[in-house]
Amino acid sequence: KAGVTQTPRYLIKTRGQQVTLSCSPISGHRSVSWYQQTPGQGLQFLFEYFSETQRNKGNFPGRFSGRQFSNSRSEMNVSTLELGDSALYLCASSLTLARSFNEQYFGPGTRLTVT
Amino acid sequence: GQQVMQIPQYQHVQEGEDFTTYCNSSTTLSNIQWYKQRPGGHPVFLIQLVKSGEVKKQKRLTFQFGEAKKNSSLHITATQTTDVGTYFCAGNPYNFNKFYFGSGTKLNVKP
Repeated sequence: KAGVTQTPRYLIKTRGQQVTLSCSPISGHRSVSWYQQTPGQGLQFLFEYFSETQRNKGNFPGRFSGRQFSNSRSEMNVSTLELGDSALYLCASSLTLARSFNEQYFGPGTRLTVT
Repeated sequence: GQQVMQIPQYQHVQEGEDFTTYCNSSTTLSNIQWYKQRPGGHPVFLIQLVKSGEVKKQKRLTFQFGEAKKNSSLHITATQTTDVGTYFCAGNPYNFNKFYFGSGTKLNVKP
């Protein structure tokens, strides 16, 4: 069974631009969660999607948004990029909602650098 | 504020020594998960604890969930260089709908 895939793996953007990251979960998994990982803040929860609906949201500004498609693939968008948005963005898939005692399978991440 | 605190932040040990990382939550957790992230890699699920006082073992790794379900620990016996990485706990507090990750403990093992 293929693992979680994320594209692109690396991205360099300038301040003010926007970016879209993609995540394909493990086949059969219906939940996708997004996390931001930085050296200073660790792993911070962004949001979780299940059945094309956002089920949960972390404490990030509205510039961070996402969506999920009927095939469970998910995209995350960051608008008006700031230097502080430079981070590793990880998505994790699980069978059902992550809180339902399901383990999360992480993708390799997208390394975003904002200059 | 931070829901799950994890200590220590760093641990350097000689190969063969033991290692322990601790997680503490300000609220009661319905369950807690542990992940390992190798340098340059992504977090990989290790185990989940659900019951109060639960203890689970995976070879040299022992995981414990506190009686009050507010703390947890991961203990590695006789570390090996393959244990190098950052260990994260992720707690799911009751009445919250998400996992809070601890800040992680970075383990370095000297051969």
